[in-house]
Amino acid sequence: EPEVTQTPSHQVTQMGQEVILRCVPISNHLYFYWYRQILGQKVEFLVSFYNNEISEKSEIFDDQFSVERPDGSNFTLKIRSTKLEDSAMYFCASSGRASSMETQYFGPGTRLLVL
Amino acid sequence: RKEVEQDPGPFNVPEGATVAFNCTYSNSASQSFFWYRQDCRKEPKLLMSVYSSGNEDGRFTAQLNRASQYISLLIRDSKLSDSATYLCVVNGDSWGKLQFGAGTQVVVTP
Repeated sequence: EPEVTQTPSHQVTQMGQEVILRCVPISNHLYFYWYRQILGQKVEFLVSFYNNEISEKSEIFDDQFSVERPDGSNFTLKIRSTKLEDSAMYFCASSGRASSMETQYFGPGTRLLVL
Repeated sequence: RKEVEQDPGPFNVPEGATVAFNCTYSNSASQSFFWYRQDCRKEPKLLMSVYSSGNEDGRFTAQLNRASQYISLLIRDSKLSDSATYLCVVNGDSWGKLQFGAGTQVVVTP
């Protein structure tokens, strides 16, 4: 069964450093998402991406965040200058169509710890 | 008011018993509803979509009440492997933006 993959599984970084989280969506999917989950809290939407453009972003997704699809398979989330409060699990997801009923498939996540 | 609200539990359920729990959502314009399952420190996995007429998938039954803006999930004949956090998920203002509840923890005991 096709699945979304993410690397690294864990990332520890110093406050102020840049991090890039990588995702490989399911191969025939066209819509990509990033979500985050702070420990003990709910999953929160960050951004959706289609056709090399951001479709929608939340208020969490400020100027410190950016997304990119650098090639035909990878989808990345960059945090330019990490803060302590960026510590969370970051999930990438993908879906095949632009439909509210379309299932989003989640990757296993990257656990980011900012010290 | 939170966009998606769930009873956090835990619901402690003897193996073989039935458990049911609800979720309420605030956006009356929401079109799509899902139950996801999340195991400890893992990614959310789709359990089932929720349709207007209600739907069943094996031991799991989901109901939607648009008038009262709540969704329910019922698990029959609980298995130990059903122990998890069940996330109520609603599409938000747009098709791609999923809004998650904080989850209901279910613990199935032998």
